[in-house]
Amino acid sequence: QVQLVESGGGLVKPGGSLRLSCAASGFTFSDYYMSWIRQAPGKGLEWVSYISGSGYAIYYADSVKGRFTISRDNAKNSLYLQMNSLRAEDTAVYYCARAGGSLPNWFDPWGQGSLVTVSS
Amino acid sequence: EIVMTQSPATLSVSPGERATLSCRASQSVSSNLAWYQQKPGQAPRLLIYAASTRATGIPARFSGSGSGTEFTLTISSLQSEDFAVYYCQQYNNWPPWTFGQGTKVEIK
Repeated sequence: QVQLVESGGGLVKPGGSLRLSCAASGFTFSDYYMSWIRQAPGKGLEWVSYISGSGYAIYYADSVKGRFTISRDNAKNSLYLQMNSLRAEDTAVYYCARAGGSLPNWFDPWGQGSLVTVSS
Repeated sequence: EIVMTQSPATLSVSPGERATLSCRASQSVSSNLAWYQQKPGQAPRLLIYAASTRATGIPARFSGSGSGTEFTLTISSLQSEDFAVYYCQQYNNWPPWTFGQGTKVEIK
């Protein structure tokens, strides 16, 4: 079955960096757009970034543009999010999710999430 | 950016009753709309895509309707496991892909 497992979250100081990983299994990873979506404590869902199957098409939310970098390694069936210049408002559970179809559309399925806390 | 607005923020329903959740887009998204369910401490789960197509394994009591700017998620007879937060999301005009703020369905 399709499975996504995030790792790499933790506590980091403002201005610091962190790299999230998402290990995918149960499908042909390179065929799908993949995304990161976050949820601040007690808040709603915010799309963060999307990357095409080949890695050539990449999109970012304005709130993270210039600070976060999405990437993928299709040989390792893995998705990454490099987060630099972290701010308190980046504190959230970060989910990786697969696009529902061949285009970047809906998100299905989602990983269990990885908590990132930015605090001094 | 397309803004998605959900109403009500909280819906109090008794088990076995019908629940109707609304989602409005700030401009037309055609039928490019999805619905998700999120239970406490869990990741969201896809319920509906293309406004009215149930995702794999989703019970028939969940149905979606609408197009353009007005959408509805209906749960025909609420079960105990349906009490959760529901989000709509548009994928017509991107980036960004945008979500509504959520509707919490609670036990009356």
